[in-house]
Amino acid sequence: DAGVIQSPRHEVTEMGQEVTLRCKPISGHNSLFWYRQTMMRGLELLIYFNNNVPIDDSGMPEDRFSAKMPNASFSTLKIQPSEPRDSAVYFCASSSRNRGVITEAFFGQGTRLTVV
Amino acid sequence: AQSVAQPEDQVNVAEGNPLTVKCTYSVSGNPYLFWYVQYPNRGLQFLLKYITGDNLVKGSYGFEAEFNKSQTSFHLKKPSALVSDSALYFCAVRSASLSTLTFGKGTMLLVSP
Repeated sequence: DAGVIQSPRHEVTEMGQEVTLRCKPISGHNSLFWYRQTMMRGLELLIYFNNNVPIDDSGMPEDRFSAKMPNASFSTLKIQPSEPRDSAVYFCASSSRNRGVITEAFFGQGTRLTVV
Repeated sequence: AQSVAQPEDQVNVAEGNPLTVKCTYSVSGNPYLFWYVQYPNRGLQFLLKYITGDNLVKGSYGFEAEFNKSQTSFHLKKPSALVSDSALYFCAVRSASLSTLTFGKGTMLLVSP
């Protein structure tokens, strides 16, 4: 398996523009997470999906952020409109929990977002 | 609520010496504990985990960690550090009832030649 795949790796956009980050989880994993990493706040969980259903979105900063998981192999995180303070590295991770066996979360390489 | 504390922002050690990166946690019920490593401009890589069983867990690259329930700790250790071990290390916890990982703020490990 190629692991968790995120695109793009880098994104530079102007304030006010819409940004869409993409993630392909590991095949067979039924949990998907979006995290944001900044120097000031470290790693923050934004949203968590289980079996394509959003379970906990309490970490989503505000209404400008939205996430979808239309199927088991794809998820998006959208920021509209983007602001400079959204600049961070965004990670997607996936894991599985089947028959009580918990696997660790596997992370993608991240998307480095810069909003100017 | 679950939380993780990594009390050291940075740990410095000379190559060949043993290293310890500290982690304490707070969680309801039995903890599931993890260590991850992050190299510059890379994602987090899984090192090891404690779910149940032996308190001493062995992982990748010669790392190990010891689960101590009474002290609510899960310190990462390695008998002999390498320069290539220099990276950012994260401890994480999840409870049996939740699937979400809560991470510590990370500890930068610097191994000098």
